[in-house]
Formats: sequence, structure tokens, C-alpha cells
Amino acid sequence: EAGVAQSPRYKIIEKRQSVAFWCNPISGHATLYWYQQILGQGPKLLIQFQNNGVVDDSQLPKDRFSAERLKGVDSTLKIQPAKLEDSAVYLCASSFIGQGAGYEQYFGPGTRLTVT
Amino acid sequence: DAKTTQPNSMESNEEEPVHLPCNHSTISGTDYIHWYRQLPSQGPEYVIHGLTSNVNNRMASLAIAEDRKSSTLILHRATLRDAAVYYCILRDYNTDKLIFGTGTRLQVFP
Repeated sequence: EAGVAQSPRYKIIEKRQSVAFWCNPISGHATLYWYQQILGQGPKLLIQFQNNGVVDDSQLPKDRFSAERLKGVDSTLKIQPAKLEDSAVYLCASSFIGQGAGYEQYFGPGTRLTVT
Repeated sequence: DAKTTQPNSMESNEEEPVHLPCNHSTISGTDYIHWYRQLPSQGPEYVIHGLTSNVNNRMASLAIAEDRKSSTLILHRATLRDAAVYYCILRDYNTDKLIFGTGTRLQVFP
């Protein structure tokens, strides 16, 4: 079974530039998550999709971050414009069903973003 | 959101058992106890979860206190590949959220 795919793996941009990350979840997984992981901290949930609808985006800085999940499969996360504090690893995860605390989340390898 | 408390770091020798503790005194009735681990330069991976009873799987065992205010992840024989950050997480059945803390960094020595 193929895992969660993310690209690019690394990205370096200057502040005020734009950047986009792509995620392809495990086939058949209805729920998709984007997390931000700052160095030395645990991942923080940014947004959760159920199929192509947003379930939770309470932690997403909506003035600069946006995310979409067209057709309920792939997803993109965009930052525009980037700030120095956005330097982090951006992790995508998916799970079979959103509700129910027994379902595990499968994480991709992440995209390491450096903003200079 | 319910919180967990874990030691910042622990050490073990290879092939020895490892007991990773977690305190969660504010756990509610709808919270499941989940453990994930994160190997260097990788995304987190699921290890095990439980509600009230002790659980075993191919990776580890989870021992849950009777009052559910603490739990222990048990790696029966640590290997070098088990060196990772281990996260103890309370996952609310209703919200489905995983709220990560800073975890325990486990070092395994040969």
C-alpha cells in the first residue's frame, strides 16, 4: 500500500514570497490533515478536511495560509506571503474515517520550509 | 483540550525493555490514549492506542492505570531503530483531533 506522498521535500524561499505544498493521501482515505511542526515542537494541526469539505481550520492563519482539497483527493497548502516564523516542516496526514478515536492517522514525510 | 505530561528524554540500552510514562490527570471519558512516534526526518507513525484496558500489538504494549490518569508505553526489547520522539496523545472521540505535546526523546545505545 502506497503511503502519503508529499512534494517538494525541501523548499527555501525569501520572506514575502509565496510557496505551495502538495499532498496525495492514501487511496480511499476520506480525511486529510495538514500540520505545522516547528523545530523542537510537536506537530500542530492547521486544517482538517473530510472529503473536500473543511472540518476544522481554527488554527490556520487565514490571512496568509490557504488550503484546498479538490475532488476530495489531493490537497495543496499555500502560504502567501511567507514570514520568517513560517519556517517549519509541513506534514500531511490522512485517515480512513474522520470520526472515531480509534482510527490512526498516516503521515507523509513532510516538506521542510526555510524562509530567509 | 486534554493535556499530557511526559519526560523530555529517556535512555535505554539495546535489547532492554523500555517503559515510557505519560500523565494525563485531566482525561475525560471520551478520550482515547494514543501513542505515536517520530523517527528522525520522518513524519509521525502510529504505535498503539487504548481506552481502559491494557493493549498489545506487534510494536509495543500499552499499560493504562485503573483511574486512567496515567499510562505507560512498553517496548519489550529496544532496538537502535526505536530511537525516536514518542508522543502520548489524548484523542477525543468526538473531535478526532490529535494534539501533540513535545514528547519524550528516546535514545537507544548499542
